[in-house]
Amino acid sequence: GAGVSQSPSNKVTEKGKDVELRCDPISGHTALYWYRQSLGQGLEFLIYFQGNSAPDKSGLPSDRFSAERTGGSVSTLTIQRTQQEDSAVYLCASSPLLINEKLFFGSGTQLSVL
Amino acid sequence: AQSVAQPEDQVNVAEGNPLTVKCTYSVSGNPYLFWYVQYPNRGLQFLLKYITGDNLVKGSYGFEAEFNKSQTSFHLKKPSALVSDSALYFCAVSPRNSGNTPLVFGKGTRLSVIA
Repeated sequence: GAGVSQSPSNKVTEKGKDVELRCDPISGHTALYWYRQSLGQGLEFLIYFQGNSAPDKSGLPSDRFSAERTGGSVSTLTIQRTQQEDSAVYLCASSPLLINEKLFFGSGTQLSVL
Repeated sequence: AQSVAQPEDQVNVAEGNPLTVKCTYSVSGNPYLFWYVQYPNRGLQFLLKYITGDNLVKGSYGFEAEFNKSQTSFHLKKPSALVSDSALYFCAVSPRNSGNTPLVFGKGTRLSVIA
């Protein structure tokens, strides 16, 4: 596709349930990022994948959060035992080789935990 | 660790007037600096970046930003605002020699251009 694709666009879940969020980056982009956007909090870095290197997980807020990137392309962000404070927009972005190239963002997944 | 401050949550400006959205940063060494814009119900879009060279950077939609090393600032400007510029603007920074440090974003500034 032409851009970064995220699914679902909206997800409503009950507290305690697990959720999976998917990101399809732009073909050929080796770097993939997950950010979280909460009202009044700006963009919070979660995790970063670059090629075959070990991911930078330093932004994950708790061990309930994990992410994978299969085959250097599609990524899945998993949140286990969701809490109400996990409600936010989860944004995925990809970029070409160099980290300081501009990021191309998806439209995000709006997660609501009831 | 690097950080970005956008001191204004909201900026209001009349259409046709110049606009400024402020950003200051903290980083070890020289920075890469970025502005992104988020229009209503749309994803973030790249506006412009400062890597090296001329301190005045020109970007999309008539926007520009000036890198000021002594003041550690990278304010976004436009000479004449349009109603369609109304959006959420994010400043971001990364250390130049970071290797693999992801961008750190500010909390965003909501710009409202009033007709």
